[in-house]
Amino acid sequence: DAGVIQSPRHEVTEMGQEVTLRCKPISGHDYLFWYRQTMMRGLELLIYFNNNVPIDDSGMPEDRFSAKMPNASFSTLKIQPSEPRDSAVYFCASSKTSYGYTFGSGTRLTVV
Amino acid sequence: RKEVEQDPGPFNVPEGATVAFNCTYSNSASQSFFWYRQDCRKEPKLLMSVYSSGNEDGRFTAQLNRASQYISLLIRDSKLSDSATYLCVVTSTGANNLFFGTGTRLTVIP
Repeated sequence: DAGVIQSPRHEVTEMGQEVTLRCKPISGHDYLFWYRQTMMRGLELLIYFNNNVPIDDSGMPEDRFSAKMPNASFSTLKIQPSEPRDSAVYFCASSKTSYGYTFGSGTRLTVV
Repeated sequence: RKEVEQDPGPFNVPEGATVAFNCTYSNSASQSFFWYRQDCRKEPKLLMSVYSSGNEDGRFTAQLNRASQYISLLIRDSKLSDSATYLCVVTSTGANNLFFGTGTRLTVIP
């Protein structure tokens, strides 16, 4: 199994641009999570899905952030418009239960 | 108040030393507890689960104190390869999302 696959690994964009982060979970996992990590705040849960349905999006910082999971093998996190304070590492993780989280390698986003 | 709080460190210890990390959690209904390890510029990876009776995996021992709502991780005979950030993680009953502490950074010095 290739694990959780995220793309791109690095993204540098200008303020105001749209950013789309992608995630392919492990096959057979029915939970998918998006986390953001910064030095100041650590790992923060943004949103999670169960069987492609968003369950809890209370961590999404504001309307500029949106996430979709059109099928069991793909999810996107979109930021529009991006701002410098969005700069962080964004991790996707998948699991079958809360015991078996596997993280992707993350997307390092820099908004200038 | 944060769900999970940890001393950020850093802890700088010599090879062979024993080092202990603690973390506290705020939700008394929390049910599952874990320690994750995160290497620099890498993703977090599960190190071990934490059980009420305490559990050991080689040089690593994890303990849970429900009354005081804290979790500990003890590393014996530290190796250079143990240098990483250790994240304390909890989840609540019926919840499927994990709450992470901000991590404790460990550096093992030759």
